[in-house]
Amino acid sequence: DAGITQSPRHKVTETGTPVTLRCHQTENHRYMYWYRQDPGHGLRLIHYSYGVKDTDKGEVSDGYSVSRSKTEDFLLTLESATSSQTSVYFCAIGPGQGRYGYTFGSGTRLTVV
Amino acid sequence: GNSVTQMEGPVTLSEEAFLTINCTYTATGYPSLFWYVQYPGEGLQLLLKATKADDKGSNKGFEATYRKETTSFHLEKGSVQVSDSAVYFCALSWSGGGADGLTFGKGTHLIIQP
Repeated sequence: DAGITQSPRHKVTETGTPVTLRCHQTENHRYMYWYRQDPGHGLRLIHYSYGVKDTDKGEVSDGYSVSRSKTEDFLLTLESATSSQTSVYFCAIGPGQGRYGYTFGSGTRLTVV
Repeated sequence: GNSVTQMEGPVTLSEEAFLTINCTYTATGYPSLFWYVQYPGEGLQLLLKATKADDKGSNKGFEATYRKETTSFHLEKGSVQVSDSAVYFCALSWSGGGADGLTFGKGTHLIIQP
């Protein structure tokens, strides 16, 4: 979607290396989210943010950290990547218009070898 | 806690067939309900939503009605097309919006054959 971009789109990294994924929004939303998508699990919430420097854990937060130093950017860091973190990662912003809509980025496909 | 259960696929139908994808939820209170669609290689797009009991969400020929008594939000379409092939996710969030985000079902892969 036009208001939310993720980078990189694809990344291959080695086990044990740190990795940072970036989510950038131009919608000035207060709330931002990181999900991972895996076959048989749907999307699961990793971390979320409810304002600058305000973050909290989601359902599957182990092995991940986040930072939000300004409204438009929400970073997801894998401190030491493991093969179990091979996944597609989606960022989302919301709630949107009418307070109930969420908008998703195009995703980052991360492979840990 | 909150949870969403939807029929798992793949669901394979012929073009112009009638579609139903079942979705039930468990939640305290009265959540908002959503259907998202994911086309191959893309992110999730909001297909439709309903924010209170008996509401009907509709978009692109798809419909779903919020049934509080059966805690369900089944997705239907009267005549599917090949272009409807995608993964469909049922999801919920609290009616008040806010930081809780969305709780998703596992997704249903729909395949429409010409």
